[in-house]
Amino acid sequence: DIQMTQSPSSLSASVGDRVTITCRASQSISSYLNWYQQKPGKAPKLLIYVASSLQSGVPSRFSGSGSGTDFTLTISSLQPEDFATYYCQQSSSTPYTFGQGTKLEIK
Amino acid sequence: QVQLVQSGAEVKKPGASVKVSCKASGYTFTYFAMHWVRQAPGQRLEWMGLINTGNGHTKYSQKFQGRVTIARDTSASTAYMELSSLRSEDAAVYFCAREMASCGDYCYSYFDYWGQGTLVTVSS
Repeated sequence: DIQMTQSPSSLSASVGDRVTITCRASQSISSYLNWYQQKPGKAPKLLIYVASSLQSGVPSRFSGSGSGTDFTLTISSLQPEDFATYYCQQSSSTPYTFGQGTKLEIK
Repeated sequence: QVQLVQSGAEVKKPGASVKVSCKASGYTFTYFAMHWVRQAPGQRLEWMGLINTGNGHTKYSQKFQGRVTIARDTSASTAYMELSSLRSEDAAVYFCAREMASCGDYCYSYFDYWGQGTLVTVSS
């Protein structure tokens, strides 16, 4: 199975900050990498697919980059509604696997 | 608009089985595969398996092989996930998720719509 590791596991930031979350795969996954946002008690919401494509309706302050084994999710200017947990997910091969999550908290 | 509506919370005893449904609307059900993902309290999301809703073919995570069955009823636009021999570690929220594919030279898949989740409690 492909292991997905995110860093950091938690992050404190302020409204307006630029934040970057990193995701590393245990082997090359090309661009088969997606990012989701999850708020407590809710289903995950797709933000970024194929490493860098912005899902329709998602604000442009979210962006993704990377290929191979190393990927990043960047939020250019944090808004109050962005405080949530973020997960990366590989769809290169089954079983599809997720990172452990990065909890983004208000400083 | 696309909606995936799951069945309600379940409380089961260890050793029992649970069956969760996921009713799709707002799109042609058989055009998109359906996946099942679970999340135990405080844990990462965990992929369980998928069904090709067109031909009924399934693929399961090795971790759940032999205990999980995913099925669909095309006339009802509904997918089902049944997990047997429940143990305490199976207590989780179970999600269905629709697979979208973006194809060029290769096909990339991702989950663009999710059900609201079904809480399964396992307790004697």
